[in-house]
Amino acid sequence: AAGVIQSPRHLIKEKRETATLKCYPIPRHDTVYWYQQGPGQDPQFLISFYEKMQSDKGSIPDRFSAQQFSDYHSELNMSSLELGDSALYFCASSSDRGLNTEAFFGQGTRLTVV
Amino acid sequence: DAKTTQPPSMDCAEGRAANLPCNHSTISGNEYVYWYRQIHSQGPQYIIHGLKNNETNEMASLIITEDRKSSTLILPHATLRDTAVYYCIVRLGSGTALIFGKGTTLSVSS
Repeated sequence: AAGVIQSPRHLIKEKRETATLKCYPIPRHDTVYWYQQGPGQDPQFLISFYEKMQSDKGSIPDRFSAQQFSDYHSELNMSSLELGDSALYFCASSSDRGLNTEAFFGQGTRLTVV
Repeated sequence: DAKTTQPPSMDCAEGRAANLPCNHSTISGNEYVYWYRQIHSQGPQYIIHGLKNNETNEMASLIITEDRKSSTLILPHATLRDTAVYYCIVRLGSGTALIFGKGTTLSVSS
C-alpha cells in the first residue's frame, strides 16, 4: 500500500539559509500534519491542513510557513535557519471523510543546520 | 499539552506479553485513545485506537477501563522488534492533531 512520502530524506543547510520540505500524502487523504522532533525529544506538532486550508496550529516558529496544494501535497518552508532547527521533520496524513480515522506518518526528513 | 501519563520505561522478555499502561483521567466523552510507537528515528507507527470498547487487531489489543480514565496496550507475544517508544494519545478524532507526550520506552530482551 502507498505510504506517506517525504523528500528529501536528508538535508544539510547553513545558518540563515532557507529550506523546503515536501510531503506527499497517501492517495485520497485530505489532511496533512507536520511535526518536529529534536534529538532525544518527542515529536512536537507544528501545523496541519485540511482541504488546503490551515486547520490547526501548534508550536510552529514564525520563521516557518507551510501550505497544502491542490493535489494535497504539502510543503514546509523554513527561513533564517538556526542551529536549533536541526531535527527530524515528520509529515502525517489522514482522511477526514470518516470518523476516528488514524493518521499515518512518513519516514521523515532529517535536517542538519551547520 | 498531552493529556496522558505513561511510565517512562518497561522491560519485557521475548515471547511474553507486554502490558503498557496509560492514564488519561481527564478524557472527555468524545475523545479517543490512540496508540503509536516509534522505533529509533523512524516515523511513528499507528498501532490501535478505541473509544470505550476493547479493541484488537493483528498487532495488539487495547483494553479501556469502564470509566475510560485509563487503558492498557497489550502486545501478546513481544519480539525484539517491538523494542520502541510507545505513545498513548488522547485525540478528538479525525482532523485533530496527535499531541505526543512522554511515552514508554519498551525494551524487549531475549
